[in-house]
This record gives sequence, structure tokens and C-alpha cells, in this order.
Amino acid sequence: QITLKESGPTLVKPTQTLTLTCTFSGFSLTTSGVGVGWIRQPPGKALEWLALIYWNDDKRYSPSLKSRLTITKDTSKNQVVLTMTNVDPVDTATYYCAHRRRQAPVDYWGQGTLVTVSS
Amino acid sequence: EIVLTQSPATLSLSPGERATLSCRASQSVSSYLAWYQQKPGQAPRLLIYDASNRATGIPGRFSGSGSGTDFTLTISSQEPEDFAVYYCQQRSNWPYTFGQGTKLEIK
Repeated sequence: QITLKESGPTLVKPTQTLTLTCTFSGFSLTTSGVGVGWIRQPPGKALEWLALIYWNDDKRYSPSLKSRLTITKDTSKNQVVLTMTNVDPVDTATYYCAHRRRQAPVDYWGQGTLVTVSS
Repeated sequence: EIVLTQSPATLSLSPGERATLSCRASQSVSSYLAWYQQKPGQAPRLLIYDASNRATGIPGRFSGSGSGTDFTLTISSQEPEDFAVYYCQQRSNWPYTFGQGTKLEIK
């Protein structure tokens, strides 16, 4: 059974760095084709892809946020970490991590974690 | 970046009625389009992938069609639990993008 769970701060001040961790089970990020991504959703708004990392360390970033994002994996801990620098109130959102395989859609999602950016 | 435009923004129906939701892409996404259902406070759930394939465990009243730039999600007979927000998403080109959603509400 595949599960994912996001963790991190619920409140971050503007200009600070946000670090979110996705801890997963039921699959391995050493398996060919497997990837884990981050998707966010501001309150009452649509979903937005942020970043994606694959088993072979191939990484993809949203072009509009690329300069602020870093995605890494720790296969020994079954974790994927997303770092976002210089946060702003517009970054307030629920952040989801999700599982996919190459040539397939996202099929499993974490429950999401709400991050508020405010002074 | 491929823009997905969903219509209508809100659809008001009674249980038992047929729902037709549209998703239009700004350029061809081939058949690499998925539909997700999201209820308040929950993560999205995969309904349809590659335009017309139902995901595991999804009831037969949900169906998808289309290719290229025009796609449709049909719910043949609305059940009370189907009232939610529906998003389309393309995985043809990075960055993958979502539509802005269609809210299906009880009439």
C-alpha cells in the first residue's frame, strides 16, 4: 500500500526559507521509473505543480519558481525534501507530495500540509 | 506552458442528472490528460488517465473522452457523493499544468 505524508512548519515569515519533507512507504525511489513530486494549492484556488524528482535523480522545476526551489531525495529514509527560499504571503497554500511513474499520471497523494506565510 | 481551460466554472445539477465537463488545452497534449476529483479538505483523487481510462476503483458512471486539445469528463448519473471540484491535468509537457477546476454543486 502506497502512502505519502508531508511534514514541515505551519507558519513561516516572509523572506524565510521553507523546508517540507515527504515521507513515503509502499514503494522505493530506487525503482526505475518512479518519481515523487510537489504540488500546491492556495486556499480556494487551483493546483500548481512545483517540482518533481525521479529514481535516477532527474529533477524538474516549475519555470516560474525554479530560482527558489530545490528538490532532493534520501532513499535510505524514503524521503523527498522540497526547499523554497524567500517565501512571500502568496506562497500560502496546502502543499501536497505525490507519487507517479514515468508515462503515468499522479496516482497517490499525501494528505497535504497547510503552510501560512505571514509576519 | 500549456494552459488548460475548464468549463463551466460551476455546474448545478440534481442527483441522477448527467454531467458533462469540458477541458480545452492551448496546444495538443495528445491523450496525456487526466481528471481528478477533489472534495473539501481532501487531496485530489485520480478518476481518469490518458483521456479515457478509468483509474482503479472508479465507478463506471465516470467516463472520459477526447484527444489533442478538447476533452470531456462525463458522469452519467450524478450520485450525492459526486458533488465536488473536478480538475483536468496534462502531462504532455513540463511544467505539467492543471485547469482551474469545475465545481459540481447540488441544484
